[in-house]
Amino acid sequence: EPEVTQTPSHQVTQMGQEVILRCVPISNHLYFYWYRQILGQKVEFLVSFYNNEISEKSEIFDDQFSVERPDGSNFTLKIRSTKLEDSAMYFCASTPQGYTDTQYFGPGTRLTVL
Amino acid sequence: AQSVTQLGSHVSVSEGALVLLRCNYSSSVPPYLFWYVQYPNQGLQLLLKYTSAATLVKGINGFEAEFKKSETSFHLTKPSAHMSDAAEYFCAVSARDDKIIFGKGTRLHILP
Repeated sequence: EPEVTQTPSHQVTQMGQEVILRCVPISNHLYFYWYRQILGQKVEFLVSFYNNEISEKSEIFDDQFSVERPDGSNFTLKIRSTKLEDSAMYFCASTPQGYTDTQYFGPGTRLTVL
Repeated sequence: AQSVTQLGSHVSVSEGALVLLRCNYSSSVPPYLFWYVQYPNQGLQLLLKYTSAATLVKGINGFEAEFKKSETSFHLTKPSAHMSDAAEYFCAVSARDDKIIFGKGTRLHILP
């Protein structure tokens, strides 16, 4: 069964450094999402992406964040200058046709900012 | 705006006993409702979803949930717990054509 994959599984970085989290959505899906989950807290929506542009973003998704689909398979989340509070599990998800479809989640990348 | 409240961050049940995980929602429009499960070191997996058809929704692994508009609830149940059900369960809500809002999650522990 096709699945969403994410790399790396765990990323440790120093505060102020840039990180790129990578996701490979399911191949025929058109809508892509990033969520994050700070330890012990709820899963929070960050951004949705369709047709090579952001369709919606939350207040968390400030200028430090950016997303890109650099080729036909990868979907990346970049944090330009990491802060301690960016430490979280980041999940990528994809759907064939938008929010009302079942979202398929990747296993997540745990980001630790020191 | 939509929101979800899950009652109980941890629930323990004995193997073979009834599983009941509680979820109440708030939505200004008819909602879509979801239950997701997260096993250790894995991503979120959809258990079931309600999209305004039957109010009793059956999902994978023997789970089901009932949409009760009058109570704004969408509780998850399973008649007989199995050790493999130990995981974190997330209730979620969305308005149509809108992002999913997750609850804080309930960790289910199964006692032998």
